[in-house]
Amino acid sequence: DAGVIQSPRHEVTEMGQEVTLRCKPISGHNSLFWYRQTMMRGLELLIYFNNNVPIDDSGMPEDRFSAKMPNASFSTLKIQPSEPRDSAVYFCASTLGDPFYQPQHFGDGTRLSIL
Amino acid sequence: GESVGLHLPTLSVQEGDNSIINCAYSNSASDYFIWYKQESGKGPQFIIDIRSNMDKRQGQRVTVLLNKTVKHLSLQIAATQPGDSAVYFCAERAGTASKLTFGTGTRLQVTL
Repeated sequence: DAGVIQSPRHEVTEMGQEVTLRCKPISGHNSLFWYRQTMMRGLELLIYFNNNVPIDDSGMPEDRFSAKMPNASFSTLKIQPSEPRDSAVYFCASTLGDPFYQPQHFGDGTRLSIL
Repeated sequence: GESVGLHLPTLSVQEGDNSIINCAYSNSASDYFIWYKQESGKGPQFIIDIRSNMDKRQGQRVTVLLNKTVKHLSLQIAATQPGDSAVYFCAERAGTASKLTFGTGTRLQVTL
């Protein structure tokens, strides 16, 4: 069975550029999460969706970050303009049922480097 | 999960031995716990979970123990194999209105 699919796997771009990260959740899952992982802060929840609706975006660092989920099989996380401190690994995860009372299944992430 | 700073604690185990990875939590309202395994360059992989109404849960070669009295969670891996080498995270939900909080992880190194 296909797991959570993220693209691109790696992204290197210059500061000021727009970055778009993509995620396809596991088919049938109704909650989707975007996380960021850094050495300094570990794994942090940025935003999550339930039935395609954003529920909690309190973890989104700034207005430069935005996320959308136009349908049940696709989500994007956009950073505009990007800054060097945004460099991190960004993970997408999905689950079925209660968003935080079931295992979340993660993709393999996008490693983002902002120069 | 606890915050243990920038340095990942490392557990070194010989192949074939049993491994025990520990996690402390501070919130007595935490009611759900998950263990994840993360290999280099990959996303966290679900291993096993446990709800607070249980003390022990077993999977294939893994056992999770929950001690609510001392707020301690452990992951036991039987007959550790080289493929078990990875960083292991615990995550907790601090009650019904909460999200998951992830610990910083423990690196497991399996020596031959």
